Amino acid sequence: EVHLVQSGAEVKKPGEALTISCKVSGYTFTNYWINWVRQMPGKGLELMGRIDPSDSYSKYSPSFEGHVTISTDKSINTAYLQWNSLKASDTGIYYCTRVESSGSYGEYFQHWGQGTLVTVLS
Amino acid sequence: SSELTQPPSVSVSPGQTARITCSGEVLPKKFVYWYQQKSGQAPVLVIYEDNKRPSGIPERFSGSSSGTVATLTISGAQVGDEADYYCYSTDIGVDHPFGGGTKLTVL
Repeated sequence: EVHLVQSGAEVKKPGEALTISCKVSGYTFTNYWINWVRQMPGKGLELMGRIDPSDSYSKYSPSFEGHVTISTDKSINTAYLQWNSLKASDTGIYYCTRVESSGSYGEYFQHWGQGTLVTVLS
Repeated sequence: SSELTQPPSVSVSPGQTARITCSGEVLPKKFVYWYQQKSGQAPVLVIYEDNKRPSGIPERFSGSSSGTVATLTISGAQVGDEADYYCYSTDIGVDHPFGGGTKLTVL
């Protein structure tokens, strides 16, 4: 059975660094891209970026490029989302998802992590 | 802003049919997917590739897509179907592939 288990809630101050994780099990980690999705308080879902665990190639949505870094460690089947300098506006819930392909017609996310709440308070 | 447009809210009585629309220029070219998010929970895929139901999703959930409009239909909506519903479709150059979300109220 496929599982994506994320690290626990974090409370940080503006300017601090943070890395949250997403550990997968139940499938071959390198066979599927991993997405990160943000949900700000009371708001909708936003696609942040994704990574191919087989070669660590990553790409980011324009709104997040340069502000976060997505990485993986194949040896422990884990994906990461990293901030070097948090802002109050980074407060939200962050989900990792496995990317399933519909060929050239789309993609979908059947498996999600439980979410990690990040709170950035001065 | 989202490149897929959804109504902010839809309200039906229990047993009625709820229809949630999603419109966007990408829809004639790409599949649409629908996610259900209940309060305090992670999203769940309820429709993929326009009209397919994942295993475990009740038959009352169905999807269709025609031209620039996709529709999620919940036939005989139940109180337990109250949730936020998001459509998703993407293509090269689409920066915001999730719709803005629709809050379904069943009461």
